[in-house]
Amino acid sequence: NAGVTQTPKFQVLKTGQSMTLQCAQDMNHEYMSWYRQDPGMGLRLIHYSVGAGITDQGEVPNGYNVSRSTTEDFPLRLLSAAPSQTSVYFCASSLAAGGLNTQYFGPGTRLTVL
Amino acid sequence: EDQVTQSPEALRLQEGESSSLNCSYTVSGLRGLFWYRQDPGKGPEFLFTLYSAGEEKEKERLKATLTKKESFLHITAPKPEDSATYLCAVQAGTNAGKSTFGDGTTLTVKP
Repeated sequence: NAGVTQTPKFQVLKTGQSMTLQCAQDMNHEYMSWYRQDPGMGLRLIHYSVGAGITDQGEVPNGYNVSRSTTEDFPLRLLSAAPSQTSVYFCASSLAAGGLNTQYFGPGTRLTVL
Repeated sequence: EDQVTQSPEALRLQEGESSSLNCSYTVSGLRGLFWYRQDPGKGPEFLFTLYSAGEEKEKERLKATLTKKESFLHITAPKPEDSATYLCAVQAGTNAGKSTFGDGTTLTVKP
């Protein structure tokens, strides 16, 4: 199993540009989520999904869109990038949405918005 | 609103000098508390899950404990390879599948 994979690893955008951060998992996990991590801080939840076709907002959803058309993939879209979105983005998955489940994290995408 | 506070922000230890990291939390209906290790430039890696007050778990030089208000990660005789950021997260009853993270404690162990 590759686990949770993310692409790209690094990205530089100009203000106003849009892009999609890719996330995929091959563990048949039901629950997937996106976090951002700013320097010296923990992870803040952006969006999450409890299954294909179902998504919901987390703590900091503004400026981001998600969709979940398959169990495996959970892309994060930046609609119009802003310098405040400079951060490291982590995708995570866990076996089921209900119950208590360990989250498995991808390696992260480091995004800089100029 | 669920809150997780970790202390200290940073901890520097000499190799072999034991210490503890703290994670205090305020949640409604705690379902579980997680400890993760994060190395620079990488995603968090799962260490422990604690479900109820009084529970303890161990892995090599690490031991995690849980009370009704806080959790401790005890590090016994640390080595330089234990240097990392340690994150605490809680999963609460009204937020099934969502975790709230603390800001982490960055541990540096000098040889």
